This record gives sequence, C-alpha cells and structure tokens, in this order.
Amino acid sequence: AQKITQTQPGMFVQEKEAVTLDCTYDTSDPSYGLFWYKQPSSGEMIFLIYQGSYDQQNATEGRYSLNFQKARKSANLVISASQLGDSAMYFCAMFPPGDSNYQLIWGAGTKLIIKP
Amino acid sequence: EAEVAQSPRYKITEKSQAVAFWCDPISGHATLYWYRQILGQGPELLVQFQDESVVDDSQLPKDRFSAERLKGVDSTLKIQPAELGDSAMYLCASSLEGMETQYFGPGTRLLVL
Repeated sequence: AQKITQTQPGMFVQEKEAVTLDCTYDTSDPSYGLFWYKQPSSGEMIFLIYQGSYDQQNATEGRYSLNFQKARKSANLVISASQLGDSAMYFCAMFPPGDSNYQLIWGAGTKLIIKP
Repeated sequence: EAEVAQSPRYKITEKSQAVAFWCDPISGHATLYWYRQILGQGPELLVQFQDESVVDDSQLPKDRFSAERLKGVDSTLKIQPAELGDSAMYLCASSLEGMETQYFGPGTRLLVL
C-alpha cells in the first residue's frame, strides 16, 4: 500500500542549528511527487517545497532543501539556520502514482519546536 | 500574492445546529479540495471538485455533510446537523489542475458544544 511515514512525532532544536525532518514513502511506481508543508499554530497549511521523482537535483527553496534519496525511498526536509518562526507542524505528502485524481497521501506530521 | 480565502476563521456552534463554511480559491484554479483535520493529525480529504463537478466525495459523510461549487469558482461546505465529533479544522485548498501544488487557505476552526 502507498504510504508516507514520518517517524519523529516531535523535535526540539536550538535556534540557528540545522534541522532534518524525516520522511519515507512506499511506492513501487517510478513516477510520483513529494511535498513538504508547514502548519503553524494558526492552522494554515503552507507549501514549502516539491520534489518530482524524475528530478535530477534535490529541490531547494531558500533555507529549505529536500534530501531526496530515491533508493532508500526517503525525502527528508532540511532547514538550515533554524529560526524561532520555524516552530510548527511539518507534513510530508505524496502524489501517489496511478491516481488520476491526484489526491495527496499525508504523513502524520512532526512537531518542531525551536528553542531560543 | 494570490491566496485562498476562507470564512469564517472560527465557528462555535451547538450540536444539532447547521454550519456552513465558504472558500474562494486562487483565481483560475480549477481543482478545489475540502479537508478535515483533527488536532495532531494529517488532513483527511472530504471532497474534491474539478470546476463545478465533484471528482471524489467518497469520504464525505453524506448524511450530514454537503458541498457545492455551483459556478466552478467559490465553494460552500455545510454540516447539518453538527455533532460533537465534527469539532476540527476545516481546510480548503486549490490547485491549477489536479496534478499541481495545492495551496491552502487559513482554515476554519469549528467547535461543536
């Protein structure tokens, strides 16, 4: 079954340190897309970064980068130089292959708390 | 920057009452999604529209929930009657087409007493 696994329910990180949030996925199809979203306590789901399975390079967006290891089926989010405003829930999601409706499969999320 | 609009942001109601949520997607976005999110969990898709047509409402509790997108632009999600277990965050998202990135609105927090 297609699935997204986020093994870290919560993380505490010191401000200005780099953070890696884990995400593994399960699919046997070669074509899929992976997303990371941030959800602050206000509730809005904010799109951070996208990686397509055929993309040759790891995606980057400002302080966010995606450590995409296809053979290991992992798509970890890396946040460089963490800030207090990075405290939030982070969700990994996947467009499953073969789904013509393009409905996302979501992980359970990781709660990140940045300590001053 | 274009955004998905939702209202109200917060709603408190008593069980058995009717509630309605409104969503206005980013202009030009054909696909619209309604999600329900319980605190501490990932979003659960309730209904997906492509323009004015329902693509998937298999997870929508149709005995009490209804959704419409009559002109293929904004959308309304209704619950009647509300139950205690409906307390959750209701998120609306839109995408240019189904395979594109979904952008979310600020959500509506519903509390049923």
